[in-house]
Amino acid sequence: AQKITQTQPGMFVQEKEAVTLDCTYDTSDPSYGLFWYKQPSSGEMIFLIYQGSYDQQNATEGRYSLNFQKARKSANLVISASQLGDSAMYFCAMREEETSGSRLTFGEGTQLTVNP
Amino acid sequence: DAGITQSPRHKVTETGTPVTLRCHQTENHRYMYWYRQDPGHGLRLIHYSYGVKDTDKGEVSDGYSVSRSKTEDFLLTLESATSSQTSVYFCAISDRDTNGRKYGYTFGSGTRLTVV
Repeated sequence: AQKITQTQPGMFVQEKEAVTLDCTYDTSDPSYGLFWYKQPSSGEMIFLIYQGSYDQQNATEGRYSLNFQKARKSANLVISASQLGDSAMYFCAMREEETSGSRLTFGEGTQLTVNP
Repeated sequence: DAGITQSPRHKVTETGTPVTLRCHQTENHRYMYWYRQDPGHGLRLIHYSYGVKDTDKGEVSDGYSVSRSKTEDFLLTLESATSSQTSVYFCAISDRDTNGRKYGYTFGSGTRLTVV
């Protein structure tokens, strides 16, 4: 079974609008971490935001926030006030602390295009 | 930025030839990883290392071997390259802080390997 599922292969958003990228995960590990990475066309992997399974509040980093719904096993990324430079591939990833140690498992990604 | 470099950045090789990719870090991080990225699959873990001479397999390890003889270098070897190993290869590093919490991950710039 897929551990990380990103159901949106491609998303489009108008500049200055907010967009939500979906991520659901599957784990029985009580301790885990969820990550979002951005990969622009240049290819580098850029860390955006992290949410721990025991964190009480949803993570936020500037224009990025993570809508963490533990019971639903979802960790959606919300980008507010989209910019043209946000056009990129976005990956959700999970680290299962007890079962996988330090390894990171990725979803297939969502290609976001921001239109002017 | 964390010091992590991959070499070469690009390589074209013939089927059946051996290929070695190098990942070099200057951060003294304990954990190192090799991922491959293919369209529709996100990043998939090939092998990882949790210390000098300590390595383990990831989800797509067939056809690959690794070595880590010193902290700063993690080598990925394709013993006999096949066309299915044409991919972009990423190295990543991570470590725990003094409180035992795990850092995030820093990725190299990637190596684009083409097997013809």
